[in-house]
Amino acid sequence: GENVEQHPSTLSVQEGDSAVIKCTYSDSASNYFPWYKQELGKRPQLIIDIRSNVGEKKDQRIAVTLNKTAKHFSLHITETQPEDSAVYFCAASRDWRQGNLIFGKGTKLSVKP
Amino acid sequence: EAQVTQNPRYLITVTGKKLTVTCSQNMNHEYMSWYRQDPGLGLRQIYYSMNVEVTDKGDVPEGYKVSRKEKRNFPLILESPSPNQTSLYFCASSLFWSDNEQFFGPGTRLTVL
Repeated sequence: GENVEQHPSTLSVQEGDSAVIKCTYSDSASNYFPWYKQELGKRPQLIIDIRSNVGEKKDQRIAVTLNKTAKHFSLHITETQPEDSAVYFCAASRDWRQGNLIFGKGTKLSVKP
Repeated sequence: EAQVTQNPRYLITVTGKKLTVTCSQNMNHEYMSWYRQDPGLGLRQIYYSMNVEVTDKGDVPEGYKVSRKEKRNFPLILESPSPNQTSLYFCASSLFWSDNEQFFGPGTRLTVL
């Protein structure tokens, strides 16, 4: 089955710097890759996602890139702010006929003012 | 207000005492899923349902049962809870599996003594 590896497990940056979190997946049939943010004590919330027919997607300060050949995808956060501090999870799945979403173990991002 | 609700939010029980955690959504979503979250392990899918009367195992289904008799409800049943099922449980739903955000419930913190 699918396996998703996420790195690093913790990341500390200064406010205004960029942060990059990387994930690799094992199932070449995976074609949907969402990223979820979970603030302390709260539920996960989708921040951005990408499908396999797209190489990059941006939403303001957040971007995701996908390299299908290498089977890895990354989350990029620019101009980080203290409110970006949270745990970020990547995930991967096959098409809609299989609803099995596999998450990475998470990255705890700390943005220091 | 569109939402996913879970009950109870907190539960302390003893080994072997059957329990049910309810999940309900008011968004007419086809897809519903249960996850458990443990420190260092991220989110792991227990069961998911693509529609009424359709359920499938996720990555960690052992010791759990689910049913989907109505579109809005997806209860998680622990027939004989054990201490290794102590965890934070999240229910989630989405309109269509692969193209839409999964909306998470607030979580249920379960302790099995």
